[in-house]
Amino acid sequence: GIQVEQSPPDLILQEGANSTLRCNFSDSVNNLQWFHQNPWGQLINLFYIPSGTKQNGRLSATTVATERYSLLYISSSQTTDSGVYFCAVAETGNQFYFGTGTSLTVIP
Amino acid sequence: EAGVAQSPRYKIIEKRQSVAFWCNPISGHATLYWYQQILGQGPKLLIQFQNNGVVDDSQLPKDRFSAERLKGVDSTLKIQPAKLEDSAVYLCASSLVGSVIEQFFGPGTRLTVL
Repeated sequence: GIQVEQSPPDLILQEGANSTLRCNFSDSVNNLQWFHQNPWGQLINLFYIPSGTKQNGRLSATTVATERYSLLYISSSQTTDSGVYFCAVAETGNQFYFGTGTSLTVIP
Repeated sequence: EAGVAQSPRYKIIEKRQSVAFWCNPISGHATLYWYQQILGQGPKLLIQFQNNGVVDDSQLPKDRFSAERLKGVDSTLKIQPAKLEDSAVYLCASSLVGSVIEQFFGPGTRLTVL
């Protein structure tokens, strides 16, 4: 299956700071999603981004499919951004593979 | 629009007992997924349905796990008999069929096997 690596594994930020999370994958993919898992375990969709750049408020994401990586940018972090961020990838019609996640803690 | 529904939210059983989880996907989503998420890890796909047919069950421990999706809507996942290592969160997700496969997840069922 496709190998998905996320970095860093853990991140602690002061409220208001910016951060970049990275997702590397081992094979070409047609589907890529970023999720935020909140403290209650719910996986919240952030971006569906198999290629290109998208922005939603303080969050933005860029995927460079030819180089097999995606980046998630969080600006002006807030305590509510705390949780685990997952990247998931798939080839068309095939199963999704998740990374091991980046655990983010934002300190007030 | 209603999201993916799952029940129960929590379940505690003893090893060797049986347990079943239920999932109702987003209306119109033909593809349904069951994932297992062990503490500290990312979700792992157990089984994927398209309508009421199985697309991928390569990582489903078939000696003890079973799943069905009668009528192509609701789905149940069963474990019989449970082992200690089955303690995890079981997540259900759904998506449309096509080249754009954006998954939407339910709240999950947290299973503890004692």
